[in-house]
Amino acid sequence: AAGVIQSPRHLIKEKRETATLKCYPIPRHDTVYWYQQGPGQDPQFLISFYEKMQSDKGSIPDRFSAQQFSDYHSELNMSSLELGDSALYFCASSLGFGNSYEQYFGPGTRLTVT
Amino acid sequence: KNEVEQSPQNLTAQEGEFITINCSYSVGISALHWLQQHPGGGIVSLFMLSSGKKKHGRLIATINIQEKHSSLHITASHPRDSAVYICAVPYYGGSQGNLIFGKGTKLSVKP
Repeated sequence: AAGVIQSPRHLIKEKRETATLKCYPIPRHDTVYWYQQGPGQDPQFLISFYEKMQSDKGSIPDRFSAQQFSDYHSELNMSSLELGDSALYFCASSLGFGNSYEQYFGPGTRLTVT
Repeated sequence: KNEVEQSPQNLTAQEGEFITINCSYSVGISALHWLQQHPGGGIVSLFMLSSGKKKHGRLIATINIQEKHSSLHITASHPRDSAVYICAVPYYGGSQGNLIFGKGTKLSVKP
């Protein structure tokens, strides 16, 4: 069965550079959630999209932006990268918005900022 | 905001042992998630449950909505079960999809 795809899987950037992370949800899934997991930390919710509209926002820095496209894939854009942005970023998709729908998690993108 | 507590934080077991991981939360929810994360790896959803009990292979998850408590059981544990197990609930309770995660239980099963 198709799973959530994230690209790239690993990314190394320098401070002040920009990065773009991509998330391709399971086919027919219309909702995407983005989470950030710092080293040794529990995951933190960043932002979510339902039907190409932002549905909720968590602890996402102003330097980050995200959107969901017409094919439901989502991109997380990160600018002016800082060392503290080094983390595992993973997305999850679901068939609808809300807690009644199971979230399927992608393998994550490991971002290292040097 | 929901608060999630998991116990124990670390758990070492011998192969074949029965394992229980507990999760408590503070705000009423419609469903709770149990997730598995291998070292350096992504997250796999094990269960989403809103009442009673679910079973998948050697894994059993139970939830008591009134007591705001859930447990994950692993029967006949195996070294390949070694991973971090995380429970997650809606951030504000209710029906929002974004989750707040517990600190995780790091399980190590020795052969």
